[in-house]
Amino acid sequence: LAKTTQPISMDSYEGQEVNITCSHNNIATNDYITWYQQFPSQGPRFIIQGYKTKVTNEVASLFIPADRKSSTLSLPRVSLSDTAVYYCLVGEGDMRFGAGTRLTVKP
Amino acid sequence: EPEVTQTPSHQVTQMGQEVILRCVPISNHLYFYWYRQILGQKVEFLVSFYNNEISEKSEIFDDQFSVERPDGSNFTLKIRSTKLEDSAMYFCASSDEGVYNSPLHFGNGTRLTVT
Repeated sequence: LAKTTQPISMDSYEGQEVNITCSHNNIATNDYITWYQQFPSQGPRFIIQGYKTKVTNEVASLFIPADRKSSTLSLPRVSLSDTAVYYCLVGEGDMRFGAGTRLTVKP
Repeated sequence: EPEVTQTPSHQVTQMGQEVILRCVPISNHLYFYWYRQILGQKVEFLVSFYNNEISEKSEIFDDQFSVERPDGSNFTLKIRSTKLEDSAMYFCASSDEGVYNSPLHFGNGTRLTVT
């Protein structure tokens, strides 16, 4: 199972772009990268998933370099409601969450 | 959008009692999971379930725990002889092809308080 490393916390201000990077040095060939968001007292919510290069949806973008040993979740123009914990999961059958990144958006 | 639903939202029980937490996964999903989250800590994997049997379980999922899919829609987690340290949020999740290429869809959890 690919182990992931993320910053424990990040602060930002409303309207800024936030980039959260996840390191996964031992990612396997078949592994996908999936990001979740969790608000207090709620279950994690799927944000985005990718395998290589760039994926974009209505919520975020995911950038994956050619070596796939890291990935960056990009949240454009964050608002106060984006304050949450963000988790990066990598791998087939990797059902275990790390500590995630606690993002605090300030006014 | 289909949702995973969990009941009850909050359960209070006395130490030593048995509790059953209930989940209704998304109807066409095939893989089911239970996680727990102790207050202020990370989300911990407990067990995954596919084709009416456990496919993987963590070291937390000992003989105190069991899971069951009693019918075509429900997925339950039973905790026998609850302990104070079982107090946590318990989340059910489902996916339609397994984590590898299908994201997990989580319910909003059951807050279990053991007194």
